[in-house]
Order: sequence, then structure tokens, then C-alpha cells
Amino acid sequence: GIQVEQSPPDLILQEGANSTLRCNFSDSVNNLQWFHQNPWGQLINLFYIPSGTKQNGRLSATTVATERYSLLYISSSQTTDSGVYFCAVERMGGGADGLTFGKGTHLIIQP
Amino acid sequence: EPEVTQTPSHQVTQMGQEVILRCVPISNHLYFYWYRQILGQKVEFLVSFYNNEISEKSEIFDDQFSVERPDGSNFTLKIRSTKLEDSAMYFCASLTSGRAYEQFFGPGTRLTVL
Repeated sequence: GIQVEQSPPDLILQEGANSTLRCNFSDSVNNLQWFHQNPWGQLINLFYIPSGTKQNGRLSATTVATERYSLLYISSSQTTDSGVYFCAVERMGGGADGLTFGKGTHLIIQP
Repeated sequence: EPEVTQTPSHQVTQMGQEVILRCVPISNHLYFYWYRQILGQKVEFLVSFYNNEISEKSEIFDDQFSVERPDGSNFTLKIRSTKLEDSAMYFCASLTSGRAYEQFFGPGTRLTVL
């Protein structure tokens, strides 16, 4: 099946710092989504971004489908940004395979 | 904005008991999914469902699991005889048909098997 690798696995930053999270995937995709898992365990959908660039406030994401990677940028980090960030993909032509998730990046923003 | 809902938010059960986790997908969506996340691990695909039948299932989705869409709104996951290792967060997701493949996730049900 498709492989999803996220880096770094852990990231500790001071409030106000910027960060870049990376997601590499091993095959062409129909779907790429970024999620933030909050302390209650809920998966908050940040971006649906199989290609191109999107921005939502302090967050933005870019997917370069031809090179099989995606980046999530967080600017001016706040303590509420802490949590685990997951990248998930669905292989192109996979029908209803479901999303394959990476292992996540655990982000800690210190005050 | 329409959203996927799941009940209960937390279920505690004894090993060997049957549990049913419930989901209400977004009303015009046609594809439905269940995922599982064991504490501290990544989210894993269990099963997809379309047109009243299973489309795909993972190796995790063995004979103790079943899914059903008993009416026009609910989508359920049944675990027949729970084991300790079934303790996890279970997420339901749905997808509309068409050109967009974005899946919309519910808030999850935390299952604890004692």
C-alpha cells in the first residue's frame, strides 16, 4: 500500500515561532488532508489539499503532487496549536480504500 | 455547517460483550468509513461502505466486526465479542460522490474494554 512519512516526529517551539511540518508519500494521490488532533482526541480537518496551496489564517499548506510531498506551515504559533498533526492520503485509483495516515508530528508550543 | 456526529462519545464495556458504535453521516454523502486509533498510535482504516455494501476492508476488520446502515441516516459499527485490544478511539467519516475526495470526520467514540 501507499506509504506516508511525516517529519519531524516531535517539535518543541516557543510561542510566536513559525514551524514547517512535512509529509512525504510514495504514490500518486486523489486526496491529501491535514488534521490537528486536539487534547480530546478529535480530528480537526485543517486542509483538503491534493495539490496546490491553501491558506487559512495563520496556517497554510502546499502540496507538490509531482514530487509527492506536502508541507504545513504554522506561523506565529500559539499554545493552542499544540497537539498532533496528521497527514492522510488516498491513493489515486484506489476506489474506496480509505485514507492512509502518517504517524504524525507531535507539536508542543511553550508559553 | 453539516457535520458527522457519533454516539456515544465514550463507551466502557466488559471483555466479551458486544458493542455498537453509531454514526450519523452528512445527509447527502454516499461513502462511509470507519477508522480506529489505538492510544498513542496513528489512525488506521477499518472499512468503507457504499451502496449498502462493504467496498473495502483492512486486515484489522475481521469477523468480529460488522457494519450496517439500518436506515437512511445511521451508520453503525458492531464489535461482537470485544477484546482488551479493541480499546481505541473509533472515528466515522463520510464522503460525497463526485470529483472531490475530502472525507469529513466525526468527533470519535472512545471505547474502553475492561
